[in-house]
Amino acid sequence: SQTIHQWPATLVQPVGSPLSLECTVEGTSNPNLYWYRQAAGRGLQLLFYSVGIGQISSEVPQNLSASRPQDRQFILSSKKLLLSDSGFYLCAWAKGGGNQPQHFGDGTRLSIL
Amino acid sequence: AQKVTQAQTEISVVEKEDVTLDCVYETRDTTYYLFWYKQPPSGELVFLIRRNSFDEQNEISGRYSWNFQKSTSSFNFTITASQVVDSAVYFCALSEGGYGGATNKLIFGTGTLLAVQP
Repeated sequence: SQTIHQWPATLVQPVGSPLSLECTVEGTSNPNLYWYRQAAGRGLQLLFYSVGIGQISSEVPQNLSASRPQDRQFILSSKKLLLSDSGFYLCAWAKGGGNQPQHFGDGTRLSIL
Repeated sequence: AQKVTQAQTEISVVEKEDVTLDCVYETRDTTYYLFWYKQPPSGELVFLIRRNSFDEQNEISGRYSWNFQKSTSSFNFTITASQVVDSAVYFCALSEGGYGGATNKLIFGTGTLLAVQP
């Protein structure tokens, strides 16, 4: 069966520090991968998605970037964190095709001080 | 434009009551897919159900049931005999076929917080 791992679970970082969140999927090949941010108001904002290695689409201009160095690995990064980067970050995967549901990781709670 | 509206921000019920969570969507596509997700306090989103635009059959799974009506662009979710463990934020989402299909991009509603009191 397929599983998705996301780490770390919680992170506290100072303003201006770099960031690296990692997500890996097991049990499937060539998945679509996604990064979301959920602010305190509950809405889910799609940040990036990828349909293949090295292919990254950005949904919202921001202080973050994403990379997909391997088929089942998706990384969210920042060179310098802002206070506004605080939130709950969720990684998800799906098989290709609009009828396939996305499956989410447990999320990372990021606090910026 | 594609949009998902969950007008109910918060709902509070007492255990064993039935509760319906509303979802209204907008899309120009003739082929699309609708989803419901549950987000318990622990934070992860759990997939509950998927419905295709060409299949208007309602579905029942235990205490959960879903009513899909294309005429009103609604995909409502009912929990029968609610339990405390049902307390969570519930999200409705839309995915379009055609061009958007290969990416599985989801358009989420803003969620409904359901609190079930003992």
